[in-house]
Amino acid sequence: DAKTTQPTSMDCAEGRAANLPCNHSTISGNEYVYWYRQIHSQGPQYIIHGLKNNETNEMASLIITEDRKSSTLILPHATLRDTAVYYCIEHNAGNMLTFGGGTRLMVKP
Amino acid sequence: NAGVTQTPKFRVLKTGQSMTLLCAQDMNHEYMYWYRQDPGMGLRLIHYSVGEGTTAKGEVPDGYNVSRLKKQNFLLGLESAAPSQTSVYFCASSYRYPSYNEQFFGPGTRLTVL
Repeated sequence: DAKTTQPTSMDCAEGRAANLPCNHSTISGNEYVYWYRQIHSQGPQYIIHGLKNNETNEMASLIITEDRKSSTLILPHATLRDTAVYYCIEHNAGNMLTFGGGTRLMVKP
Repeated sequence: NAGVTQTPKFRVLKTGQSMTLLCAQDMNHEYMYWYRQDPGMGLRLIHYSVGEGTTAKGEVPDGYNVSRLKKQNFLLGLESAAPSQTSVYFCASSYRYPSYNEQFFGPGTRLTVL
């Protein structure tokens, strides 16, 4: 079973920031939080990952709380092409990913 | 680079038929994976491989077999297909854990078993 909890769906206006929350209250000290997204029926695409510190790349920012029990993925200027299912995943031993249901983000004009 | 490719893209089988799905990667990745995704659900790991000649079971291995004879290829076999195996199958690859281990996914194979 997935160990993360995410809202089933969210809406965001085009051009605004999309903030996608994730709870991972059982994460252990050496486990990373990974975010992937899946656009329509394509294969999942890696977005970003982090351990303790906040991270930023060309796609998104990841904010991890100090107690590491939750995180937020931020898409700073959402576009229609960002409409997708976003998965928050605890990285477990052996590099296996356990996908939950994810958050279906709908970016609206 | 082509990345991760999957063959075929679509397939329809009758119950009891067999088939093999091929996954190929050109990134020299050590690890390879097979997932299945049922409608409205997340991906579930079927089998994986941590290197040429090795395979291991994932979360839902029953009814499937795999082989990794070459580092760049990972084959998924269905010996006797069942309607419950109707799904979209994704292959992925990554570098060796625990280094930076982003998984790269293929485009998927849509399989229907009648």
